[in-house]
Amino acid sequence: GAVVSQHPSWVICKSGTSVKIECRSLDFQATTMFWYRQFPKQSLMLMATSNEGSKATYEQGVEKDKFLINHASLTLSTLTVTSAHPEDSSFYICSARDTTSGDTGELFFGEGSRLTVL
Amino acid sequence: GQNIDQPTEMTATEGAIVQINCTYQTSGFNGLFWYQQHAGEAPTFLSYNVLDGLEEKGRFSSFLSRSKGYSYLLLKELQMKDSASYLCAAMDSNYQLIWGAGTKLIIKP
Repeated sequence: GAVVSQHPSWVICKSGTSVKIECRSLDFQATTMFWYRQFPKQSLMLMATSNEGSKATYEQGVEKDKFLINHASLTLSTLTVTSAHPEDSSFYICSARDTTSGDTGELFFGEGSRLTVL
Repeated sequence: GQNIDQPTEMTATEGAIVQINCTYQTSGFNGLFWYQQHAGEAPTFLSYNVLDGLEEKGRFSSFLSRSKGYSYLLLKELQMKDSASYLCAAMDSNYQLIWGAGTKLIIKP
């Protein structure tokens, strides 16, 4: 299957700093990528849909100025958590759909990035 | 509104069979997905159903009834490594996935 790589896997930062998480589709082009947040023992929560070459679409309640998304190429989307605070500590996961070879709707997930804000 | 319901937790014995149910209500429907997620890891795809009936894939099978808004994931010959959370997700008319909270499956020897 298609491969999505996410980096970094773990990040610890001080409160007030910004953190960038990268999501790459390694063997396919992804015009759309999705960013999720998952708190312990809870399900995935869609934060935003990242569209290549255009602005991301944010879900209700997600601050677009705090969670900056850039999808500058067909294989890379980045999520920047600006001025991170302890409540932003979570597991952030990206996913992409391979639409180039018959879209089955299957989402391919990155490995996830665990953010801890001190 | 859109909603996915699945049990919070289930326990089963190694070697046995377990069925995890999922009911959904969505605005339009473009398929039902099951994902497996081990603690601290990203979800991995298990199955996709868009037509009524049973899809079998090795030890795992998934069933869909569109008229009832119901799906189940059937796991046979359970192994300890099957201990994980199983996420049910329905795709609505806008091709957005609506996620359930997940069912934590505990396998006992």
